[in-house]
Amino acid sequence: GAGVSQSPRYKVAKRGQDVALRCDPISGHVSLFWYQQALGQGPEFLTYFQNEAQLDKSGLPSDRFFAERPEGSVSTLKIQRTQQEDSAVYLCASRGASTDTQYFGPGTRLTVL
Amino acid sequence: QKEVEQNSGPLSVPEGAIASLNCTYSDRGSQSFFWYRQYSGKSPELIMFIYSNGDKEDGRFTAQLNKASQYVSLLIRDSQPSDSATYLCAVILDYQLIWGAGTKLIIKP
Repeated sequence: GAGVSQSPRYKVAKRGQDVALRCDPISGHVSLFWYQQALGQGPEFLTYFQNEAQLDKSGLPSDRFFAERPEGSVSTLKIQRTQQEDSAVYLCASRGASTDTQYFGPGTRLTVL
Repeated sequence: QKEVEQNSGPLSVPEGAIASLNCTYSDRGSQSFFWYRQYSGKSPELIMFIYSNGDKEDGRFTAQLNKASQYVSLLIRDSQPSDSATYLCAVILDYQLIWGAGTKLIIKP
């Protein structure tokens, strides 16, 4: 596709519910990043994939957060047993092989009630 | 100390004037520097990147980098109301983008 896409754009979950957020990167981009952005803050790094390999997951806030990219393209961020503090915008970005520039998807706004 | 610092603003600038946005970073190993614009409820979009000391111009935008002072700025000439947004500074550290919290810019007609 022309850009990074994410789905759903909005998700409302009840506390304790599991959610799955999807990211489709720009075709051919080997690197994929997940960020969490709270209101009024810059994005915070969660995890990084190069192709299907998850090279860094140091930003995942707890073991309730899990990300995968099994075929090196689409990625899913899963949050188990959601808590109110998980409410944020989750941004996905992809990057080509010979550049530092990351391109962002529209984000998924997660609200946990 | 945060690795990337920005004044949160809001910075209010009259239409047609120059808006000056500033950012400092703590890691001297940072090599690449980015300015992203983020409208309310939208995701960040790339404005400019800069790697070398000095100025880089693109249309109404000029990025300035001073590695000795660990300082990067963005100038917007002939500011327009559509420039009203939050401007995020980000630096590359290894492969990660480290972000400032952003400066909210308001262009007053």
